[in-house]
Amino acid sequence: EPEVTQTPSHQVTQMGQEVILRCVPISNHLYFYWYRQILGQKVEFLVSFYNNEISEKSEIFDDQFSVERPDGSNFTLKIRSTKLEDSAMYFCASRSGDLTDTQYFGPGTRLTVL
Amino acid sequence: GENVEQHPSTLSVQEGDSAVIKCTYSDSASNYFPWYKQELGKGPQLIIDIRSNVGEKKDQRIAVTLNKTAKHFSLHITETQPEDSAVYFCAARTTDSWGKLQFGAGTQVVVTP
Repeated sequence: EPEVTQTPSHQVTQMGQEVILRCVPISNHLYFYWYRQILGQKVEFLVSFYNNEISEKSEIFDDQFSVERPDGSNFTLKIRSTKLEDSAMYFCASRSGDLTDTQYFGPGTRLTVL
Repeated sequence: GENVEQHPSTLSVQEGDSAVIKCTYSDSASNYFPWYKQELGKGPQLIIDIRSNVGEKKDQRIAVTLNKTAKHFSLHITETQPEDSAVYFCAARTTDSWGKLQFGAGTQVVVTP
């Protein structure tokens, strides 16, 4: 069964450093998402991406965040200058198209900012 | 924007009993309501979903009910088994979004043998 994959599973970084979280969505899916989950809290929407551009973003997704689909398979989330409060589990999700609702989530990347 | 409330935060049930988790939503424009199961160290896995034009949906031991008037929806798990132990999240999506899901806070379900 096709699945969303994410790398790395765990990323440790120093405050102020840039990190790139990588995702490979399900092949032929058209909509891509990033969510995050701070420990013990609810899953929060960050951004949606369609047709090579951001379609919707939350208040969390400020200028420090960016997303990119550099080739036909990868979908990345970049945090330019990490803060302690960016420590969280980051989930990538994908959806096949307009006629489907289901979002398939990856296993997540645990980001720890020291 | 949409706000989803979920109760209870923890639920302990005996194996074989039923479990019910309830969610309410605030935006009457929401039209899609998925339920996800999250096991330790894994991403959320969709277990069942319902659209606003349907009142109830079943899949083996799992069912979801939706009351649009009251703006609440519930997950029902019958004949619970130890492997049902996990965190369950409800979510809602509005018609005018690009698929953005608003999640509830989650329910930790523990099924004891």
